[in-house]
Amino acid sequence: KQEVTQIPAALSVPEGENLVLNCSFTDSAIYNLQWFRQDPGKGLTSLLLIQSSQREQTSGRLNASLDKSSGRSTLYIAASQPGDSATYLCAVRGNYGQNFVFGPGTRLSVLP
Amino acid sequence: EAGVAQSPRYKIIEKRQSVAFWCNPISGHATLYWYQQILGQGPKLLIQFQNNGVVDDSQLPKDRFSAERLKGVDSTLKIQPAKLEDSAVYLCASSLEFGQMNTEAFFGQGTRLTVV
Repeated sequence: KQEVTQIPAALSVPEGENLVLNCSFTDSAIYNLQWFRQDPGKGLTSLLLIQSSQREQTSGRLNASLDKSSGRSTLYIAASQPGDSATYLCAVRGNYGQNFVFGPGTRLSVLP
Repeated sequence: EAGVAQSPRYKIIEKRQSVAFWCNPISGHATLYWYQQILGQGPKLLIQFQNNGVVDDSQLPKDRFSAERLKGVDSTLKIQPAKLEDSAVYLCASSLEFGQMNTEAFFGQGTRLTVV
């Protein structure tokens, strides 16, 4: 059974810092991995999708990497802004049409 | 392109009452998911549909929860009778059919249920 963990659970940084959020999964037989952002009281907004054959994906100030063999993904946020404050969730999907299994999330606060 | 639509946004009910949630996925998305998110936790799958058929409902409490997807488009999730521990956000998501290149999942805004 796939299990997903995220470290740290919470993170507070001053504006302008570069930061890394970590996601680990126990079963490396994944189809893809997706990073989401969730603002308080809102649904999930997709940030990046990495297929199992890819090593990384970039969108603006965000870069996500995937190391399937070690069961890890990182989300790198460059030059953080207060508007980046939210909870960041990673989710992995297995190779056989399974659903997305989510981690518990990292709650990020970027201080002005 | 319209996103995943859910209603209602909020619902407060007393325990032992029944409640229903509605979801309209993105047009053309064959796969639809219902997730339950308890405060402070990641979403947990309740049920996954592929067109009209159920792919995975192993974590659905079938004694009180039910879901259907009519004509492979809209879906409803029902709880009857509700318990206090059902208080959570219920999220609907959709994606293209598994096996296609891009199966990115898109989520609705969710329905926040409070059972008192």
